[in-house]
Amino acid sequence: KAGVTQTPRYLIKTRGQQVTLSCSPISGHRSVSWYQQTPGQGLQFLFEYFSETQRNKGNFPGRFSGRQFSNSRSEMNVSTLELGDSALYLCASSLPGQGSSEAFFGQGTRLTVV
Amino acid sequence: GIQVEQSPPDLILQEGANSTLRCNFSDSVNNLQWFHQNPWGQLINLFYIPSGTKQNGRLSATTVATERYSLLYISSSQTPDSRVYFCAVVNTGFQKLVFGTGTRLLVSP
Repeated sequence: KAGVTQTPRYLIKTRGQQVTLSCSPISGHRSVSWYQQTPGQGLQFLFEYFSETQRNKGNFPGRFSGRQFSNSRSEMNVSTLELGDSALYLCASSLPGQGSSEAFFGQGTRLTVV
Repeated sequence: GIQVEQSPPDLILQEGANSTLRCNFSDSVNNLQWFHQNPWGQLINLFYIPSGTKQNGRLSATTVATERYSLLYISSSQTPDSRVYFCAVVNTGFQKLVFGTGTRLLVSP
């Protein structure tokens, strides 16, 4: 079955602009999480959605937001882009339910802010 | 929050050698996964191993949850094994993966 799909794969944006990234989870997976990877900070948790509700949020400014649709697809949005937002953004999906189950990652979106 | 430490940060081996990567965590977990990251950035699942031992070909992993560590073994290393390996855990009661800083493995011919 198809894996986690992220679009676009690459993006170049200018400071001050906003950007929307998309993630389609594995069929049947209802939990979607987002992570940011930078050389300096490593892999950091952004937020997690389940059944269209944000269950957890990481320590990021309010410029970072997300949502999940009824088909479990998720988007994240970054407004007023800063140079430091340049990163690889990774999305993961996992099976439904409370507790923890194996997470599977997409190929990522590489965002460059100039 | 939970802390995850991986060691060593860098590991250089000759082809054919065996290696052990370690992951220590500071609190109880109900999920532990090992990944490696491909050159394009995707995290590839190696093991989902909150406890016990698993093997997959030349790779095996052991998690001793009561002692808060996990080990990833790579036997007969090959040059395509040259990747960054990450350990990630989910703290009991939470819903997010917390990653270690990774071990960069370089296998030379």
